[in-house]
Amino acid sequence: EAAVTQSPRSKVAVTGGKVTLSCHQTNNHDYMYWYRQDTGHGLRLIHYSYVADSTEKGDIPDGYKASRPSQENFSLILELASLSQTAVYFCASSDGWGGYEQYFGPGTRLTVL
Amino acid sequence: GQQVQQSPASLVLQEGENAELQCNFSSTATRLQWFYQHPGGRLVSLFYNPSGTKHTGRLTSTTVTNERRGSLHISSSQTTDSGTYFCAIVQVVGQLTFGSGTRLQVYA
Repeated sequence: EAAVTQSPRSKVAVTGGKVTLSCHQTNNHDYMYWYRQDTGHGLRLIHYSYVADSTEKGDIPDGYKASRPSQENFSLILELASLSQTAVYFCASSDGWGGYEQYFGPGTRLTVL
Repeated sequence: GQQVQQSPASLVLQEGENAELQCNFSSTATRLQWFYQHPGGRLVSLFYNPSGTKHTGRLTSTTVTNERRGSLHISSSQTTDSGTYFCAIVQVVGQLTFGSGTRLQVYA
């Protein structure tokens, strides 16, 4: 089965600080994604990438940057964390775009104080 | 934009009862995927369903793409089925859009 891991699993950050969330996949998948989930809601796409050293904006990219240094690793960066970015963040990977199933990591719970 | 509506928003069952979860979407989707989210937050893919009906254990997924609807049937519910069920559609350009989920509580 597809393996996607995330670190840290939880984090408390201060407003205005920098936060980096990491994702690693061992599936040899080309596509990777970052989603956020707010309490009581579904997931929303922040950024995605289909090749190393390239990232694309999703539905809600404002306030977030992404980095894909290699096929296996995909990071989400909050340069200036804000209270509204408190959420659970999920990383996913897939073998292609559109018609391919996405496999999700366990999530990172971020609390910004 | 794309809209995915799930119903009911929440459901309470006694163990052994069946459940029918609905997913309706506003535009033609290329794929529909059902997820289960554990109470602790872990997300598990249940079905990846281009069209038609699929079964796994006590779960049945049915998708009628040209009618823009899907359903997830849970038979003989168990307390371990408690959690939140999401449907998500894959749009023509590849975007995965989630519904707001159905929160299921099964009690003994």
